[in-house]
Amino acid sequence: NAGVTQTPKFRVLKTGQSMTLLCAQDMNHEYMYWYRQDPGMGLRLIHYSVGEGTTAKGEVPDGYNVSRLKKQNFLLGLESAAPSQTSVYFCASNDRAYEQYFGPGTRLTVT
Amino acid sequence: GEDVEQSLFLSVREGDSSVINCTYTDSSSTYLYWYKQEPGAGLQLLTYIFSNMDMKQDQRLTVLLNKKDKHLSLRIADTQTGDSAIYFCAESRLGGGADGLTFGKGTHLIIQP
Repeated sequence: NAGVTQTPKFRVLKTGQSMTLLCAQDMNHEYMYWYRQDPGMGLRLIHYSVGEGTTAKGEVPDGYNVSRLKKQNFLLGLESAAPSQTSVYFCASNDRAYEQYFGPGTRLTVT
Repeated sequence: GEDVEQSLFLSVREGDSSVINCTYTDSSSTYLYWYKQEPGAGLQLLTYIFSNMDMKQDQRLTVLLNKKDKHLSLRIADTQTGDSAIYFCAESRLGGGADGLTFGKGTHLIIQP
């Protein structure tokens, strides 16, 4: 049981490039989330999903797209990366219980 | 809108108690959480409290909730060097945080020898 895993762990992009971050969970959780963490800002919700095939916008969705084609995977896409998207990205999942389980994070730098 | 406020730093001596405070604005919050983040790591749930409770104790951790003042605190008894981390307060409106959590900016707990 690996919990929540994220791929890749680190990435450097140039402005305008695109990439996809993958989140996978093996706990059969319904809900999945993408957060970003910036220095002094705490974690902010980008997008979330309450089930396979569903997605919803969080607090800071602009510049990102997501997909939940399979229950265990939640993908975060950046179509045209900008320096303002330099951040640490965390994925999380939970069922209808109280605890969100977090992945180890992806550190993204956009130059 | 929702907002969660925490002080940025707290410095305590090893062996003393640490008290980390948090205020929130959303009166419809149902669950309130404390997460711990060590350097370079993800977030680890320490404890949580349901909004109809006013206190919860779990070993060295005590959570106090004052719903009237929208104030949450985390007390760590007998603080150890391993408690050095960033502590985040978070709230959710829906059970299980189905629509995501709102986090404070985190409190850096610094342990003095």
